[in-house]
Amino acid sequence: DTEVTQTPKHLVMGMTNKKSLKCEQHMGHRAMYWYKQKAKKPPELMFVYSYEKLSINESVPSRFSPECPNSSLLNLHLHALQPEDSALYLCASSQEPLAGQYEQYFGPGTRLTVT
Amino acid sequence: AQKITQTQPGMFVQEKEAVTLDCTYDTSDPSYGLFWYKQPSSGEMIFLIYQGSYDQQNATEGRYSLNFQKARKSANLVISASQLGDSAMYFCAMREGSNTGNQFYFGTGTSLTVIP
Repeated sequence: DTEVTQTPKHLVMGMTNKKSLKCEQHMGHRAMYWYKQKAKKPPELMFVYSYEKLSINESVPSRFSPECPNSSLLNLHLHALQPEDSALYLCASSQEPLAGQYEQYFGPGTRLTVT
Repeated sequence: AQKITQTQPGMFVQEKEAVTLDCTYDTSDPSYGLFWYKQPSSGEMIFLIYQGSYDQQNATEGRYSLNFQKARKSANLVISASQLGDSAMYFCAMREGSNTGNQFYFGTGTSLTVIP
């Protein structure tokens, strides 16, 4: 099973709403990632979790709050977002350790629209 | 400096022809991995092919091959016998062996259109 699942597929939220994005993998991967992607642009790294601990936070605004409840799950909590936060949010996972052929497996993404 | 450079914003290829998508990289780490991903309009990033810095041979996966020129720091993707379903964005990415944060660096992408 090389699948990363993400829910929901689409999300429309107002600027005062609180919502969460969910990501799940059952490949035993110990690194999990959140990316934000605008149309026709490469994915921008937001957060990396290694062994359930936050290892990279790319200066993401506090209105985005990641959470890794266990090794298979990754959440992204959203609060008081701005219209410019509208984008495709991709989750990915990869094996440890650092070197070697450890590609990232991506989920299908959540298309977020902030109104 | 950019870690990954893709200089072709858009490419067109006739169906059944071969096409090369360019990628150059910048690293001083002797251990690294290079990856190509395909992203159709549906949004999902699909892993295509991998090349390790110590691999002696160019990687191949079906119709995909990677032309790895280490001295030139290039890792071009070659797609043979293009199909209409190959129309998509293609991203080159790199992961460094000493990268303690597990970070992948992505290029800006190339939009490939296959013409019937």
